[in-house]
Amino acid sequence: KAGVTQTPRYLIKTRGQQVTLSCSPISGHRSVSWYQQTPGQGLQFLFEYFSETQRNKGNFPGRFSGRQFSNSRSEMNVSTLELGDSALYLCASSSSGTSGSGPYNEQFFGPGTRLTVL
Amino acid sequence: GQNIDQPTEMTATEGAIVQINCTYQTSGFNGLFWYQQHAGEAPTFLSYNVLDGLEEKGRFSSFLSRSKGYSYLLLKELQMKDSASYLCAAWGYQLIWGAGTKLIIKP
Repeated sequence: KAGVTQTPRYLIKTRGQQVTLSCSPISGHRSVSWYQQTPGQGLQFLFEYFSETQRNKGNFPGRFSGRQFSNSRSEMNVSTLELGDSALYLCASSSSGTSGSGPYNEQFFGPGTRLTVL
Repeated sequence: GQNIDQPTEMTATEGAIVQINCTYQTSGFNGLFWYQQHAGEAPTFLSYNVLDGLEEKGRFSSFLSRSKGYSYLLLKELQMKDSASYLCAAWGYQLIWGAGTKLIIKP
């Protein structure tokens, strides 16, 4: 079974630009969560998509948005990039997500996209 | 409110035992995850606790006390490859992540 894939792996942008990151979950997984990871902050939850619907959202500004397609692939977009957006962006897939109660749901992480904003 | 705390960094010696603590406060509670993350890599799943008590899996064990909002990860017979960050995450109405504990293993 193929794992979670993320593209691109590395990205360099300048302030004010926008960027789109892509995540392909494990086949059969319907939930995709996005995280921002920085050295001092740890994993910060951005949002979760399940069956093309945003099910949960973290405390990030509206510049951060996402969507999920019918094949469960997900994209994350950041507009008007700021220096502080430099981070590792991880996506994780699971079979039924992590919002609310339900069966055990291990999250499988992709390798991440390292975004550098200059 | 919701929060989760774990030590920032710990140091241990190869062959020894180390315990990494995690305290949490969530709205609702389903279970507690532990993940391992080597530098430059994605987190990988270690354990998931739902009920109180200790669950052992080889050299790694994880403990949960739901009434105290407390968990720990116990690593035995430490090896150099265990040098990594260890993340705990509490699953309530959302999945809340700790900032991670960087474990340094010295020979």
